[in-house]
Amino acid sequence: QQQVKQSPQSLIVQKGGISIINCAYENTAFDYFPWYQQFPGKGPALLIAIRPDVSEKKEGRFTISFNKSAKQFSLHIMDSQPGDSATYFCAARKKTSYDKVIFGPGTSLSVIP
Amino acid sequence: DGGITQSPKYLFRKEGQNVTLSCEQNLNHDAMYWYRQDPGQGLRLIYYSQIVNDFQKGDIAEGYSVSREKKESFPLTVTSAQKNPTAFYLCASSIKGFGNSPLHFGNGTRLTVT
Repeated sequence: QQQVKQSPQSLIVQKGGISIINCAYENTAFDYFPWYQQFPGKGPALLIAIRPDVSEKKEGRFTISFNKSAKQFSLHIMDSQPGDSATYFCAARKKTSYDKVIFGPGTSLSVIP
Repeated sequence: DGGITQSPKYLFRKEGQNVTLSCEQNLNHDAMYWYRQDPGQGLRLIYYSQIVNDFQKGDIAEGYSVSREKKESFPLTVTSAQKNPTAFYLCASSIKGFGNSPLHFGNGTRLTVT
C-alpha cells in the first residue's frame, strides 16, 4: 500500500535517445508525484513534479506522463545527454500529519556518447 | 547561498561506538528530515521534525536518535544499537505546510562502521 515501484533498475541510452523510467503505486491517497535527480556523491534534487489532476507535464527535455486510472507515472527524457547520467527517483507524497514522501528504489541512467 | 550543510562527508567508526552526523540549514525551513540511502532501496525516512523541540520517528528509527534544539540544526546520532549502520545518510528540509513544497537535500554523509 505504501510502496512505490520503479523500473528499470538501470538504463543505458545513446546520446540523443529517449530515456523512459516507469513508476507505479497502490495508495490512492497519494496526491503529489515528484521526481528527484541525484548525481554521484550529491543529495537528490527536485527535477519535476506532477499532481494527479494533470495527465502530462513538460519542462524542457523532461516530461512526466501520469495515468491516474492505472496508478502509473513515467519520466521521459528527450534528447538524452551524457550530463543526464544520474540516479532518478520517483516519489509519491501523502498528506498526513506531515508530508510523507515515499521514494521508489531508483533508476541509474547512463547516457553514452 | 541558502542550503543544507552536512558534515563530515565521510565518517569511519568502529562497531559499538555512537556517532553524530551534523545537519545545518539556512533556508529558514521549519521541517527537517533524515533519510538513509542504501543501494536499490531508495530513501527511507529515519526521523523528521516539524518544529523546534519536537520530532517524530520515521519508518526506520530503531538505533537512531535526534535532537532539534535550534531551527537551523537537526543532528542525527547513530547508536551502537543500530544493527547495520553503514550507509549514506541524507538530511533534508522543507517549508512546513506549504502545499507541494519540495524536499531540499544536503550532499550527504557516508558512514562506514567496521
